Amino acid sequence: GALVYQYPRRTICKSGTSMRMECQAVGFQATSVAWYRQSPQKTFELIALSTVNSAIKYEQNFTQEKFPISHPNLSFSSMTVLNAYLEDRGLYLCGARDNTGQLYFGEGSKLTVL
Amino acid sequence: AQSVTQPDARVTVSEGASLQLRCKYSYFGTPYLFWYVQYPRQGLQLLLKYYPGDPVVQGVNGFEAEFSKSNSSFHLRKASVHWSDWAVYFCAVSPYDSGYNKLTFGKGTVLLVSP
Repeated sequence: GALVYQYPRRTICKSGTSMRMECQAVGFQATSVAWYRQSPQKTFELIALSTVNSAIKYEQNFTQEKFPISHPNLSFSSMTVLNAYLEDRGLYLCGARDNTGQLYFGEGSKLTVL
Repeated sequence: AQSVTQPDARVTVSEGASLQLRCKYSYFGTPYLFWYVQYPRQGLQLLLKYYPGDPVVQGVNGFEAEFSKSNSSFHLRKASVHWSDWAVYFCAVSPYDSGYNKLTFGKGTVLLVSP
């Protein structure tokens, strides 16, 4: 079956430091990957959409300078939260789409900022 | 731009009773619509999805939803709720041409199941 693994599941970092999270597609080829954030008591916001061999498209309020994303192949993507502060805490979800259009979510990487 | 409204932040249902969670969407065009569930301390799991066609879609674990273009709604239903259904439910919409991984989510409805 198709699965999406996210690593790490949880991270605690100091304010001003950075945190890298990874997304691995297993059992399918992830032609595109979407990164979402669920802030405390809020819904999921789209950060960016990444398609292999295409430019990464960031949503309003999210930038490449703050959330650089790498999508080097059809099974892996990573995103870094640079200079994390309190407002960056939350659950970061990776959604990977296969070539039939089916979307699979990982279980998320939870970021706590002290 | 699309948007989703889930008017009920919290719904409490007795175990064995029927359930309806409301979802209203706003989108000019043909939408894809989804219901996701988030169990405690977990990510999102897809319950069901709607593509243009039959307005009633069946999902996992006995869930179904009905699309209404006239009401701009996509309400989720279940005939008999189980205690394990306790979770947060998110309705989402995606533009037809986005490949439906550009989702806009509602704020979620917490489902509490009482014994």
